[in-house]
Amino acid sequence: GAGVSQSPSNKVTEKGKDVELRCDPISGHTALYWYRQRLGQGLEFLIYFQGNSAPDKSGLPSDRFSAERTGESVSTLTIQRTQQEDSAVYLCASRSTSGSRETQYFGPGTRLLVL
Amino acid sequence: AQKVTQAQTEISVVEKEDVTLDCVYETRDTTYYLFWYKQPPSGELVFLIRRNSFDEQNEISGRYSWNFQKSTSSFNFTITASQVVDSAVYFCALSESGRSGSRLTFGEGTQLTVNP
Repeated sequence: GAGVSQSPSNKVTEKGKDVELRCDPISGHTALYWYRQRLGQGLEFLIYFQGNSAPDKSGLPSDRFSAERTGESVSTLTIQRTQQEDSAVYLCASRSTSGSRETQYFGPGTRLLVL
Repeated sequence: AQKVTQAQTEISVVEKEDVTLDCVYETRDTTYYLFWYKQPPSGELVFLIRRNSFDEQNEISGRYSWNFQKSTSSFNFTITASQVVDSAVYFCALSESGRSGSRLTFGEGTQLTVNP
């Protein structure tokens, strides 16, 4: 079946502009995660959604970052007033709550460059 | 706090050599999961293996094998007879139980280059 998809693949923006990144999880996966990967580094957890529960936002680095998810489908990560330090790859992952429950499957990421 | 350490930043080998990627973790959880992911130049993370904390059996899958030792908090990954296509960044990760719903804590990654 289809994997996790993300759009856009690449985004170049000017400092101070807002950007919106989209994630389509694997169908039926109720858990969804956003991570950030800075150049040459590992992934940092940003936010987690599970069904209709309140999201875990503990990894968001500042109040310029926010994310939404409609039910168990698409999620959007919004970065307001972007800064150069926001340049990174933003990866989305989804996880099933049955079968291989503990495994997160990742999308291809959105490469964000803030000029 | 959870922590994953991959001490090897970069490894370079010649094709057909065996190579072992080290991973050491720290956690206070008694139940946890360990993972290895591969990130080829295309950037997408590819899931390789999951191991739970109660299962210390080593695992072999083709040219890949994993050695989980709870006593030393290590989960090392060996590629036998490496190939150029194995060139990638490899990440070890640890799941964190609780409200964060198994969020993953990643190591910094090991860049493996296999030269022909």
